[in-house]
Amino acid sequence: DAGVIQSPRHEVTEMGQEVTLRCKPISGHNSLFWYRQTMMRGLELLIYFNNNVPIDDSGMPEDRFSAKMPNASFSTLKIQPSEPRDSAVYFCASSSGQGGQETQYFGPGTRLLVL
Amino acid sequence: GEDVEQSLFLSVREGDSSVINCTYTDSSSTYLYWYKQEPGAGLQLLTYIFSNMDMKQDQRLTVLLNKKDKHLSLRIADTQTGDSAIYFCAERSGGYQKVTFGIGTKLQVIP
Repeated sequence: DAGVIQSPRHEVTEMGQEVTLRCKPISGHNSLFWYRQTMMRGLELLIYFNNNVPIDDSGMPEDRFSAKMPNASFSTLKIQPSEPRDSAVYFCASSSGQGGQETQYFGPGTRLLVL
Repeated sequence: GEDVEQSLFLSVREGDSSVINCTYTDSSSTYLYWYKQEPGAGLQLLTYIFSNMDMKQDQRLTVLLNKKDKHLSLRIADTQTGDSAIYFCAERSGGYQKVTFGIGTKLQVIP
């Protein structure tokens, strides 16, 4: 398995532009998580889906952020309009959701810089 | 709510043992995890322990859990330069799939 795939790996954009981050979870996993990592705040859970349904979006910073999971193999995190304070590494992770330790497998991350 | 705390930085000499500590607040935690993040990469699961265990050993890694004090530690024996990374403690409670991560401890191994 290729693991969790994220694209793009790097994104540089200007303030006010729309940014779309993409994630393909591991095949067969039914839970998907979006995290944001910054030096100041560490790793923050933004939203997670179970069976394509958003379960907890309490970590989404504000209305500028939205996430979708139209099917089991694809999710997007959109920021519109982007702001410099959104600069961070965004990770997608997936897990099997089976009873047990439910390890989360992380993608390599998207490094976003908003100028 | 859940909270996971760990120190920010640890420096050890190559060949020594490293001990990274973590405390958590949720007494209903079921699984506790240690993840490793190398520069420029995502987090990778190192090991985990179920809450009814107090120790787990896996090669050079030893996890100790003191449930009474809500304290988790990761010991790395014979630390190598390749162990230099950020180590995240994390916990999961009950039936929820949400995992709460600590801020990460940066381990620096001095040759």
